Amino acid sequence: SQQGEEDPQALSIQEGENATMNCSYKTSINNLQWYRQNSGRGLVHLILIRSNEREKHSGRLRVTLDTSKKSSSLLITASRAADTASYFCATGETSGSRLTFGEGTQLTVNP
Amino acid sequence: DTAVSQTPKYLVTQMGNDKSIKCEQNLGHDTMYWYKQDSKKFLKIMFSYNNKELIINETVPNRFSPKSPDKAHLNLHINSLELGDSAVYFCASSRGYQPQHFGDGTRLSIL
Repeated sequence: SQQGEEDPQALSIQEGENATMNCSYKTSINNLQWYRQNSGRGLVHLILIRSNEREKHSGRLRVTLDTSKKSSSLLITASRAADTASYFCATGETSGSRLTFGEGTQLTVNP
Repeated sequence: DTAVSQTPKYLVTQMGNDKSIKCEQNLGHDTMYWYKQDSKKFLKIMFSYNNKELIINETVPNRFSPKSPDKAHLNLHINSLELGDSAVYFCASSRGYQPQHFGDGTRLSIL
């Protein structure tokens, strides 16, 4: 069954602006991960945040996790045209390696 | 130096045919997965193998049969193809609960 819902479904911004994507989920998790998918390609892992963490940074990426609200956000700062892609959140279950993916956000960064 | 490679990249075939998709990973991972991505980009787990043993088997028609000859390979055989099987199929691998590495997908089109 589908775990995550992402918001917005589509986001269009200008180069240099920040992009924020949100993800909500339903069950208890071990971790939450964000992946990027360029058109016609496979998913690429961006960042993982564990259930006992609240915020994590990696380069221009900032992820927050609020387990009380069962939600996460991905912030991409100073966006570039090359950031244009679909972004998916995925929740890792408390036991096992299963990931359940959200519906994805299509980000378009206009040059 | 492709980490997770799938063949073929494109597969166009008639309804009722039987086809196979192959996947190989050279990352030394112990867990491999098959996902189906539909036209709305929704990604759903189908199967997962850990050290050649089936550990995830979602509600998938039994026309789909995975086979793992060794830890580095996970193939997907589909019998009696139906129109609804048209999708992009992704293979992925991971080391235990670590982030997953995806292949570039096999686009299956049923005529």
